[in-house]
Amino acid sequence: GENVEQHPSTLSVQEGDSAVIKCTYSDSASNYFPWYKQELGKRPQLIIDIRSNVGEKKDQRIAVTLNKTAKHFSLHITETQPEDSAVYFCAASLSNQFYFGTGTSLTVIP
Amino acid sequence: DTAVSQTPKYLVTQMGNDKSIKCEQNLGHDTMYWYKQDSKKFLKIMFSYNNKELIINETVPNRFSPKSPDKAHLNLHINSLELGDSAVYFCASSQDGGAEAFFGQGTRLTVV
Repeated sequence: GENVEQHPSTLSVQEGDSAVIKCTYSDSASNYFPWYKQELGKRPQLIIDIRSNVGEKKDQRIAVTLNKTAKHFSLHITETQPEDSAVYFCAASLSNQFYFGTGTSLTVIP
Repeated sequence: DTAVSQTPKYLVTQMGNDKSIKCEQNLGHDTMYWYKQDSKKFLKIMFSYNNKELIINETVPNRFSPKSPDKAHLNLHINSLELGDSAVYFCASSQDGGAEAFFGQGTRLTVV
């Protein structure tokens, strides 16, 4: 199966600063890379995704980049707000399965 | 109108018991999944299933078994529950492996 590594495991930033979370994957056949946000006690919800034929995608304050050669992808959150505080998961899709990274607990300090 | 729903939300049971968690999706998706989220928040794939293929993560004990009466349902049966089975279990569905997965609200299983 696929192996997805995610760093850092915890991240604290001041409100208004940027946050970057990085993931690597092992299988070059993976072709879809979603990012999920999970608030405390809630279900994971998709915030942005990218496919293997695209290098970058942006949606307001959130952007994702993908480097297929190096097999890594990153989530960028700009102008962070307290409501961005949550656990973020990257994932890679291979053979009809989603493999998740170990999660990053983001805290935005007001 | 809930897209992916699972019941119960909370389940407390004794070691050795057999229990089931139900999951239903009304999105018309072809693929459904079960994930286990442990105390460290790690989301681990247990099963993925569509009407053609069941993929089982090799690390899942055979005490766990998925049952799909139809395309919209994927229930999880657990036999001989152990303390280490305590976790939050999430059901999810997607059109296929290359599209957004929608999660249920989770079932917090506590084995005492």
